[in-house]
Amino acid sequence: GAGVSQSPSNKVTEKGKDVELRCDPISGHTALYWYRQSLGQGLEFLIYFQGNSAPDKSGLPSDRFSAERTGGSVSTLTIQRTQQEDSAVYLCASSYGRANSPLHFGNGTRLTVT
Amino acid sequence: GESVGLHLPTLSVQEGDNSIINCAYSNSASDYFIWYKQESGKGPQFIIDIRSNMDKRQGQRVTVLLNKTVKHLSLQIAATQPGDSAVYFCAENGEYGNKLVFGAGTILRVKS
Repeated sequence: GAGVSQSPSNKVTEKGKDVELRCDPISGHTALYWYRQSLGQGLEFLIYFQGNSAPDKSGLPSDRFSAERTGGSVSTLTIQRTQQEDSAVYLCASSYGRANSPLHFGNGTRLTVT
Repeated sequence: GESVGLHLPTLSVQEGDNSIINCAYSNSASDYFIWYKQESGKGPQFIIDIRSNMDKRQGQRVTVLLNKTVKHLSLQIAATQPGDSAVYFCAENGEYGNKLVFGAGTILRVKS
């Protein structure tokens, strides 16, 4: 079946602009995650949605970052007033939300802030 | 070990040899562990997982070993192939169990 879909695959923006990144999770997955990966680095947790529960925002690096998940499916990660240090690959993943369920990742959005 | 900037640990192996990639995890409360493979330009791809009530699990050409005493995880790849070249990440579910914490990654290079 279809995997996790992210759009756009690449985004170049000017410093100070806002950007929106979109994630379509695997159908039937109740949990959705956003991670950030800087060049040559591991994955940094940003935010986690599980069903109708309040999201776990503990990984968001600043109040310029926010995310929504509408209808329990599609999610949008918004970065306001982008900075050069925001340049990274933003990865979305989804899972069945049960304990010990593996995360399935999309191919990410590569964000470059100039 | 840990990576610093772009200097991820690198393992170079000859095609056909076995590979062993190691990972030290951080949280003794973790009870679920996963190995991911990430190729250039793609998201991490699930390889194999293991729960803390096991110390070994085998898949197709891959084996994961878990040593909870020393908080060590390893991934063994049998008969390594050029297509196995990628960055490999271990992940643990951490204190709260609901999100994965990733290690820094290891680059595997397969020489033909």
